[in-house]
Amino acid sequence: TQLLEQSPQFLSIQEGENLTVYCNSSSVFSSLQWYRQEPGEGPVLLVTVVTGGEVKKLKRLTFQFGDARKDSSLHITAAQPGDTGLYLCAGEQNSGYALNFGKGTSLLVTP
Amino acid sequence: DTEVTQTPKHLVMGMTNKKSLKCEQHMGHRAMYWYKQKAKKPPELMFVYSYEKLSINESVPSRFSPECPNSSLLNLHLHALQPEDSALYLCASSPGFRGYEQYFGPGTRLTVT
Repeated sequence: TQLLEQSPQFLSIQEGENLTVYCNSSSVFSSLQWYRQEPGEGPVLLVTVVTGGEVKKLKRLTFQFGDARKDSSLHITAAQPGDTGLYLCAGEQNSGYALNFGKGTSLLVTP
Repeated sequence: DTEVTQTPKHLVMGMTNKKSLKCEQHMGHRAMYWYKQKAKKPPELMFVYSYEKLSINESVPSRFSPECPNSSLLNLHLHALQPEDSALYLCASSPGFRGYEQYFGPGTRLTVT
C-alpha cells in the first residue's frame, strides 16, 4: 500500500517556469521530508516539515505542510536546469518505524 | 559534516561470488539503515540498526547479511545473489531511530551477472 501519493509523476518544463509538486496521503504524519535525487546518486535532504501549516523556504523552493499534516507541496520558482532530478517526499508516522516514501516526481528543466 | 560515504561506487559480481558493501558516517548518528532502490522507484527499507543492534529486518532474504562493527560503520555482506538483486544500494544514518532526519550516502550500484 502506497501511503504517500506524489503528483505529477513526470514534469518537463522550460527554464524560468514555475512548478508545484504534490505529496498527498489519507494518513497523518508526524514529519515529512523532501529529498532530491540525481541519477546514480543518493537522495539529498532538502527540508523537513513538522508543524501543520508550516511553510519553509530554501532559495527558490517553497515547502508547505498541510494543516492536518496529511499532505505537502513543493513549489519551485523560476526553475533552472540544475533543479533537474527526482523529487521524493517521505513521511514518518507516529505509529510507524520507517520512512514512507512517495514514488517520486521526475523533473526535467531544459534551457 | 553531514556526509555518509559508501564504497564501492560500482560493483559487478557473479551469482557465486561473496562481496561486501561498506558505509561510514562520522556524525555521531546512532541509527543506520540499508535501502535498496530499483530504477525509477523509491528506496525500499531493508535493515535498521539502532545503537549497533539490528532493530528492523524487513523480511530480507538471507543472502543479504548486515553487520554493524561499531557506531560509525555499517556493512552489507552479499552471497549467492540473483540478477534481480541488481539495484542501487543506499546507506543512510540519523541521530536516533524514529523522529529524526535521515541522511543518505551516494549509493553502490550493484550489478549481478
